[in-house]
Amino acid sequence: GAGVSQSPSNKVTEKGKDVELRCDPISGHTALYWYRQSLGQGLEFLIYFQGNSAPDKSGLPSDRFSAERTGGSVSTLTIQRTQQEDSAVYLCASTPGHPLGTNEQFFGPGTRLTVL
Amino acid sequence: AQSVTQPDIHITVSEGASLELRCNYSYGATPYLFWYVQSPGQGLQLLLKYFSGDTLVQGIKGFEAEFKRSQSSFNLRKPSVHWSDAAEYFCAVGAGYGGSQGNLIFGKGTKLSVKP
Repeated sequence: GAGVSQSPSNKVTEKGKDVELRCDPISGHTALYWYRQSLGQGLEFLIYFQGNSAPDKSGLPSDRFSAERTGGSVSTLTIQRTQQEDSAVYLCASTPGHPLGTNEQFFGPGTRLTVL
Repeated sequence: AQSVTQPDIHITVSEGASLELRCNYSYGATPYLFWYVQSPGQGLQLLLKYFSGDTLVQGIKGFEAEFKRSQSSFNLRKPSVHWSDAAEYFCAVGAGYGGSQGNLIFGKGTKLSVKP
């Protein structure tokens, strides 16, 4: 079946511009996560959506970062006024079923963002 | 706060040799533990996971890991490495509480190179 998909696969932007990154989770998965993978920082949690609950935004590094999830499915991560330190691979993951449990996170291929 | 430490940034082994990748975690309760592998240009693939029960868990591609509570460790092992195992390996702990998995907290990764 289809896995988690992300678009675009690569994005090059100029400093100060806004970017939107998209994640399509596996159909039926109720939880969705965004992570950032950058050199020297490893994989960092950004934000977590579970069903219709308020998202856990505790990992967002600044108020320039925001995310939404429409209809409990597709999610968009928006970075406003991009900075060079935002350059990284942004990974999305989804999990099936109930949040209380031991669900494997299925990862998408990521979006590589380069800020010039 | 929860944390994961992978002490080895880069390991090189000969093809056919055994492998052990180290992982130590800091967590106040029974952890959910994972090992993921990331091949160049690829997304993260789950190798194995530990939630409860038998402390020796088997995964895909011939990998296994042992949970040792007394040492706060979850080391990954493989008896005979293949050239295709060259990749970056990430250990992770589920950051949830009250039974909820929550997001993953990753170690910085160990890059494995395999000599012919």
